[in-house]
Amino acid sequence: ETGVTQTPRHLVMGMTNKKSLKCEQHLGHNAMYWYKQSAKKPLELMFVYSLEERVENNSVPSRFSPECPNSSHLFLHLHTLQPEDSALYLCASSPDRDYGYTFGSGTRLTVV
Amino acid sequence: SQQGEEDPQALSIQEGENATMNCSYKTSINNLQWYRQNSGRGLVHLILIRSNEREKHSGRLRVTLDTSKKSSSLLITASRAADTASYFCATDAGAGNMLTFGGGTRLMVKP
Repeated sequence: ETGVTQTPRHLVMGMTNKKSLKCEQHLGHNAMYWYKQSAKKPLELMFVYSLEERVENNSVPSRFSPECPNSSHLFLHLHTLQPEDSALYLCASSPDRDYGYTFGSGTRLTVV
Repeated sequence: SQQGEEDPQALSIQEGENATMNCSYKTSINNLQWYRQNSGRGLVHLILIRSNEREKHSGRLRVTLDTSKKSSSLLITASRAADTASYFCATDAGAGNMLTFGGGTRLMVKP
């Protein structure tokens, strides 16, 4: 365990479903991140929250909706996804600048 | 746009040999970081080197940074089969603590 917990580990959903990914950290970090990792592509930054405020929305389609209710929890709400959204979704946190990220184990999402 | 690009994309060596991976980037940076990922898992932070540093060591890892060439290298000495993984460089270009990752180097260490 890294201190960043993601649930579920695996998720299969239809294109009309609504689901949510959850990320939780109790490391006292101030910033949390969602990254998408697709096959044969670099990690793509999706969203950044710093002290519970969204500071980056990297041109992500509106079918992905983040939520950060407090500094320890981060959600990614999914609706009407496409098959190309199938990927490993990684959550990470960091205490401040000039520190490395702590990643969760990821949620493997398959859209059918 | 992709900031860091690793070279080679794949590397296969025998246990006990050294492994060297390179990373090039395009813009000025605050720091550069290296991460390791075992298949289908999350990334693990290995080492961070700041823009005013030239070399850093951590156990069997040695990282160099050449800001004039916008490049970094990761050296793993005396490799072990357990070092088999993908290795990524990531750059912090100063816009908050947001990292941009490269495509990674897949390292295979044969026993």
